[in-house]
Amino acid sequence: AQKITQTQPGMFVQEKEAVTLDCTYDTSDPSYGLFWYKQPSSGEMIFLIYQGSYDQQNATEGRYSLNFQKARKSANLVISASQLGDSAMYFCAMREGIHSSSASKIIFGSGTRLSIRP
Amino acid sequence: DAGVIQSPRHEVTEMGQEVTLRCKPISGHNSLFWYRQTMMRGLELLIYFNNNVPIDDSGMPEDRFSAKMPNASFSTLKIQPSEPRDSAVYFCASRATGVEAFFGQGTRLTVV
Repeated sequence: AQKITQTQPGMFVQEKEAVTLDCTYDTSDPSYGLFWYKQPSSGEMIFLIYQGSYDQQNATEGRYSLNFQKARKSANLVISASQLGDSAMYFCAMREGIHSSSASKIIFGSGTRLSIRP
Repeated sequence: DAGVIQSPRHEVTEMGQEVTLRCKPISGHNSLFWYRQTMMRGLELLIYFNNNVPIDDSGMPEDRFSAKMPNASFSTLKIQPSEPRDSAVYFCASRATGVEAFFGQGTRLTVV
């Protein structure tokens, strides 16, 4: 069964520093996708970045990059040059069967609350 | 595009009452998901649809919960009768054939 684990309930980081949020996953499906979402205090869920299991390179989106280590089943989110506005909950998520024509569910980890200190 | 639209944004109801949450997915999206978020249990997938057909409802906690998707542009999640432990934020999300799901703003349900 698919599973997402985020072991850091909360983190404090100084502004302008880089931060790594951990995510490990478990699946027996060779075809899967990994996502990161941000949930600020206002409550909305904001998609940040995606990595497919067959993607050769680590995904990057602006200040966000995904450190994908397939053998270790980890998909850590790296935020470079953190800003005060990065303070939020961050969720790692996974979907199996991404290359299948049938629908599949997206499951989420428990989240990490990131607080940026000025 | 207006994004995924959920209504109401906030709902306060008394225990035992019926509650109906509504969702309008993004036009053209063929998958729709209902999630519940609580402090204790995080984000739980309740049910998801593909092309208006329920695919997996194993996350629906009890028979008091039901969900429908009568057409591609509308879905409901109903709780009858509601209980205080149902208090949570309920999210609807939709996805096209691409990768990520887009979330609505959520409905904050309080059952007193």
